[in-house]
Amino acid sequence: DTGVSQDPRHKITKRGQNVTFRCDPISEHNRLYWYRQTLGQGPEFLTYFQNEAQLEKSRLLSDRFSAERPKGSFSTLEIQRTEQGDSAMYLCASSTGHLNQPQHFGDGTRLSIL
Amino acid sequence: QKEVEQDPGPLSVPEGAIVSLNCTYSNSAFQYFMWYRQYSRKGPELLMYTYSSGNKEDGRFTAQVDKSSKYISLFIRDSQPSDSATYLCAIFNQAGTALIFGKGTTLSVSS
Repeated sequence: DTGVSQDPRHKITKRGQNVTFRCDPISEHNRLYWYRQTLGQGPEFLTYFQNEAQLEKSRLLSDRFSAERPKGSFSTLEIQRTEQGDSAMYLCASSTGHLNQPQHFGDGTRLSIL
Repeated sequence: QKEVEQDPGPLSVPEGAIVSLNCTYSNSAFQYFMWYRQYSRKGPELLMYTYSSGNKEDGRFTAQVDKSSKYISLFIRDSQPSDSATYLCAIFNQAGTALIFGKGTTLSVSS
C-alpha cells in the first residue's frame, strides 16, 4: 500500500501527558499537512510542510503543539500537556509540490484523553 | 458567516435513488473545489476535484460548480448501500495551501 500511513491508529492517554503521532506521506509527495477533526465536524487545518520547511500554521496550533518533518519525509506531531479538548482525530495528508493540488489523507490517529 | 456551509443531514435514501449533496461558500475568490467521502473511523477519500464552473462526471458521480451562486453540488446516480458514508465538500483557501471543509453530510442508502 503506497498511501498515507499514520501511527498509531488510536492513542489513549491521561490529561497532562505528552503524545506524539507519526505520518508517512505518499513517497513522491513533498507537501505534508496536518488536520484535526472532531465529532460531527469537517477536518480543520493545523499546519503544512513543503519538504522540511513548515510554511503555514493555523491559529488552532497552540504553543502546546509542535510539528516536525526533519528530513522532508515522515512528520511527527507532538502535543504537550494534553487537555480534554485535544480529544479528536488527527489527520495527515500529502500532495505534490504545486498549489491547489488534491490532498490525499491517511486514516488518522484518534486521540482520547481520560 | 462560515466560509463553507454544508447541511449535515442525515440523509436517508433507498437503493437506486439519485442523491444530491450541496455546499455553499462565501468567498468568490475560491477557485478549486473537492468532494471527499469518509467512512466511519477512516480518513477522507478524494472523490472529485474541479476548478471551474460546470459539470464533471466520473462514473456514477457528477460534481457541479456554480461560481455565480457560490454553490457546489455532488450527484450520485443509482446509489448503493456501499455509498453510505459522510460526504465532505472542501475548498482550497486563497493561498492554495489549506483545505476548508464543510461539516459533512451523512448519507445512508438502504437496500
